[in-house]
Amino acid sequence: QKEVEQDPGPLSVPEGAIVSLNCTYSNSAFQYFMWYRQYSRKGPELLMYTYSSGNKEDGRFTAQVDKSSKYISLFIRDSQPSDSATYLCAMKFRNGNKLVFGAGTILRVKS
Amino acid sequence: DVKVTQSSRYLVKRTGEKVFLECVQDMDHENMFWYRQDPGLGLRLIYFSYDVKMKEKGDIPEGYSVSREKKERFSLILESASTNQTSMYLCASSWTPKTSGSYEQYFGPGTRLTVT
Repeated sequence: QKEVEQDPGPLSVPEGAIVSLNCTYSNSAFQYFMWYRQYSRKGPELLMYTYSSGNKEDGRFTAQVDKSSKYISLFIRDSQPSDSATYLCAMKFRNGNKLVFGAGTILRVKS
Repeated sequence: DVKVTQSSRYLVKRTGEKVFLECVQDMDHENMFWYRQDPGLGLRLIYFSYDVKMKEKGDIPEGYSVSREKKERFSLILESASTNQTSMYLCASSWTPKTSGSYEQYFGPGTRLTVT
């Protein structure tokens, strides 16, 4: 079993839809949770960052962490064609600098 | 703006060749990482370095080595390239927050390596 599970998709939605992207993990010692966005032929860029449980909102994006269920989510409201990309979840233990990544979900927003 | 650059965007090499991939960052970051990215497998850590001349194995170090002689530069070496090393290779760098803060890794654009 992988430490971090993420459905690779692709997920195809119409413009304006609410998108829900999810990851599950097996190690309860993860403390830091991140979402990266990767456009085609580019490196990943940090989108959202959360420490421990709770919600974090940034514009159209909301990140949720439920440590009791070992489940994290990224919601995108009013999705746009420019949101079409691969979204990777990543997690980190309290100590050290290594990140553990999910496989990434390909999102396509159709206009 | 943090900038991480990689020496090549596309590279084609033959089986058995020695391959060098170079990464340079301009933000004085202590930590540098090499990943490979394959469909359905996400990013897998090959090696990382937390200081000059220091290195640690990641999850898939077999067939690879690294070199960090200067703080800004981290090289990935494929000693004898094989077809199963055909992949996208991504370099990243980060600093270590002193108290709390983001552990964000900044990525380069990637090198698409094909081994024939």
